[in-house]
Amino acid sequence: EDQVTQSPEALRLQEGESSSLNCSYTVSGLRGLFWYRQDPGKGPEFLFTLYSAGEEKEKERLKATLTKKESFLHITAPKPEDSATYLCAAQSGNQFYFGTGTSLTVIP
Amino acid sequence: EADIYQTPRYLVIGTGKKITLECSQTMGHDKMYWYQQDPGMELHLIHYSYGVNSTEKGDLSSESTVSRIRTEHFPLTLESARPSHTSQYLCASVGAAGVEQYFGPGTRLTVT
Repeated sequence: EDQVTQSPEALRLQEGESSSLNCSYTVSGLRGLFWYRQDPGKGPEFLFTLYSAGEEKEKERLKATLTKKESFLHITAPKPEDSATYLCAAQSGNQFYFGTGTSLTVIP
Repeated sequence: EADIYQTPRYLVIGTGKKITLECSQTMGHDKMYWYQQDPGMELHLIHYSYGVNSTEKGDLSSESTVSRIRTEHFPLTLESARPSHTSQYLCASVGAAGVEQYFGPGTRLTVT
């Protein structure tokens, strides 16, 4: 069964305290692994696409990596404005499978 | 930057009413999707479309319908709203050359 699992469900960090979010996936024929940021009451905002194991992408304080079974979103020296829910999705064919997200709170 | 719009943003409606949630995109994307999202839960696919006059059912399609008469427009209709339909509804699109989905701001529906 195709599925995506994210951990932890919630994460509280002090400002400047780096950490990683995990996304484990089991899908047949992975076409892409996606990370999104979602603020309360809004639609998900696209962050990264990863296509193959070993690939890495960076944007400001965020870096996404991919292995054959999981993806990590590394947050370096987070700021309060990084507080949001981070969603992971895996694409198989034309279908997208989403995790339940990690709710990140960065405390000043 | 993606230009995808949803209206209304918020809707409170009584049980049994027929409602249509609107979704439009100005990017000429072929593929469009409707998802339902509840707090702390994953996005559930309701319907999707690969182009004009092409629609497919997702996991939660049984109580709703969609149409795709124009590329830019993908409305979702609930024939008879029920309290169990209370949720956030998200529309997304993907361009022919891309794979990433771009989402609209969502419609928060409350059925009383």
